[in-house]
Amino acid sequence: DAKTTQPPSMDCAEGRAANLPCNHSTISGNEYVYWYRQIHSQGPQYIIHGLKNNETNEMASLIITEDRKSSTLILPHATLRDTAVYYCIVSPHSGAGSYQLTFGKGTKLSVIP
Amino acid sequence: ETGVTQTPRHLVMGMTNKKSLKCEQHLGHNAMYWYKQSAKKPLELMFVYSLEERVENNSVPSRFSPECPNSSHLFLHLHTLQPEDSALYLCASSQEAGGPSEQFFGPGTRLTVL
Repeated sequence: DAKTTQPPSMDCAEGRAANLPCNHSTISGNEYVYWYRQIHSQGPQYIIHGLKNNETNEMASLIITEDRKSSTLILPHATLRDTAVYYCIVSPHSGAGSYQLTFGKGTKLSVIP
Repeated sequence: ETGVTQTPRHLVMGMTNKKSLKCEQHLGHNAMYWYKQSAKKPLELMFVYSLEERVENNSVPSRFSPECPNSSHLFLHLHTLQPEDSALYLCASSQEAGGPSEQFFGPGTRLTVL
């Protein structure tokens, strides 16, 4: 079972910021938060990951709450090409299961012109 | 392009056929993975290889047989499949078989079993 909860779908206007929430209230101290996305008919694509500090890369920003029980993925200026299913995943840093990405149902983000 | 290629992209086979899916990664990674994505179901991890050794087999039926001849190539041999095995089969690779290493996915093979 996935250890995360995400809304099934969201809409975002093109050019606006898309904020995708994820609840992971049972996260353990050694588990990272990963975000992947899957555009229709393609393989999943890595976006970003973090442990407890906020992270930013060329694709997105990841905001993790201080208690680490939830996080938000931010796409600062959504484009039509960002329409995809976004998956929030928690996985251990090392040891058993650390290579296993357990994908849930994700959030289907629709970017609207 | 993610650096992970899969062939064929589409495959239709009968239940008595034997076929193989091929995955190749051009990233110099040490770990490779097979996932299955059925319609309306989340991705399921099937097998993990680290440095050509299988480190995970997620209770996959024996009609699926993986092979990793070297760190760049991964095969999934299929025999006597069932219609419910129809799915998108995805290959992925990562630098190491362990977090927090990001996984790079191929485009997948769409398999239909008649």
